[in-house]
Amino acid sequence: DAGVIQSPRHEVTEMGQEVTLRCKPISGHDYLFWYRQTMMRGLELLIYFNNNVPIDDSGMPEDRFSAKMPNASFSTLKIQPSEPRDSAVYFCASSLGTGSNSYGSPLHFGNGTRLTVT
Amino acid sequence: AQTVTQSQPEMSVQEAETVTLSCTYDTSESNYYLFWYKQPPSRQMILVIRQEAYKQQNATENRFSVNFQKAAKSFSLKISDSQLGDTAMYFCAFMTDNNDMRFGAGTRLTVKP
Repeated sequence: DAGVIQSPRHEVTEMGQEVTLRCKPISGHDYLFWYRQTMMRGLELLIYFNNNVPIDDSGMPEDRFSAKMPNASFSTLKIQPSEPRDSAVYFCASSLGTGSNSYGSPLHFGNGTRLTVT
Repeated sequence: AQTVTQSQPEMSVQEAETVTLSCTYDTSESNYYLFWYKQPPSRQMILVIRQEAYKQQNATENRFSVNFQKAAKSFSLKISDSQLGDTAMYFCAFMTDNNDMRFGAGTRLTVKP
């Protein structure tokens, strides 16, 4: 099991540029989550998917942020245009979660992408 | 809405000693799950321990154990025989049956030699 795979590990970009973060969940996991971590706000849930369908995107900060999950093995988080205040570590996580035996399954996290917008 | 509160921003402990990290939560749900995650300087989020709210028995994993007080909505983590490798941020987390997980602000633990 390769775990949750995120790319890139680091991203430095200039304000106004488009940024795309990528995530490959653990095979067989039905849920995929995107979190943002900053010193000021801690770990914030941005959006999560169940079986590739967005369930709750109320944490997405504004229209500049969008997330997609075109299939069970891939998701993207896009910021367009990026701003300096978007600088943070972005985590992707996946979990089992369907079926009565899978409730409360822990999240498995990727190594995160550290985004710096200058 | 569920909230998770970790009232200790930083703690320290001597190697081989025992330390307890506090966590309280607020919810109107009757069924839920509680977790502790560890984040070392490598920034990887690592599951430490999991507790199901309907189970009265406190979860244990080797040197890690919890004190789950459902009526008080308290979920503390005890680390016994602390090791230098336990130095990390520790996050308490809460999950309901809809599977989304919410985190506390974290406690930075330093284990001193």
